[in-house]
Amino acid sequence: GESVGLHLPTLSVQEGDNSIINCAYSNSASDYFIWYKQESGKGPQFIIDIRSNMDKRQGQRVTVLLNKTVKHLSLQIAATQPGDSAVYFCAEKAEGFQKLVFGTGTRLLVSP
Amino acid sequence: EPEVTQTPSHQVTQMGQEVILRCVPISNHLYFYWYRQILGQKVEFLVSFYNNEISEKSEIFDDQFSVERPDGSNFTLKIRSTKLEDSAMYFCASRHDNYGYTFGSGTRLTVV
Repeated sequence: GESVGLHLPTLSVQEGDNSIINCAYSNSASDYFIWYKQESGKGPQFIIDIRSNMDKRQGQRVTVLLNKTVKHLSLQIAATQPGDSAVYFCAEKAEGFQKLVFGTGTRLLVSP
Repeated sequence: EPEVTQTPSHQVTQMGQEVILRCVPISNHLYFYWYRQILGQKVEFLVSFYNNEISEKSEIFDDQFSVERPDGSNFTLKIRSTKLEDSAMYFCASRHDNYGYTFGSGTRLTVV
């Protein structure tokens, strides 16, 4: 079936480094993608989203890149801080459907 | 910033008992969702609700589950006869239009 998956289960970086978290998706009908941050015991927190008619979108310290040719999504975090430590999920929504399909998550560990 | 509110934060119930998980979505949102996350796993879609009816549901959402919007503010998930495998974090989410899903902090359901 269609699925969203992540390449790296854990990413460890030093404070101040730039982080890149990757996500592969397989549903070519997906037209909307979101990155969520989840801290322990909390719900998914919206970070940034992108629609399929775009290939890049920037927020505060975060950038999402979408490559529809290879069905790849990435989240770049600039100047990573200890407070960025969490599990990051990508999620996709297919056109005409309501549900978000989540990936398996990548744990980001930021050392001071 | 508007929030999705969920109660209780933690519910312990005996196997076979009925539980009702409660959510107050953001007031001007039109679409409502329940997701669940078994410990250490990814977030899974259960059901979406729009215009007072279920618009989409997953295979997980069997006859043991039901949803209701009894008034203008609450959105509930009922599990009629809980099983051990129903133990998970249950997240409510809402959105206004085609984008911008906001999640609550979740209810941790423990079935013993």
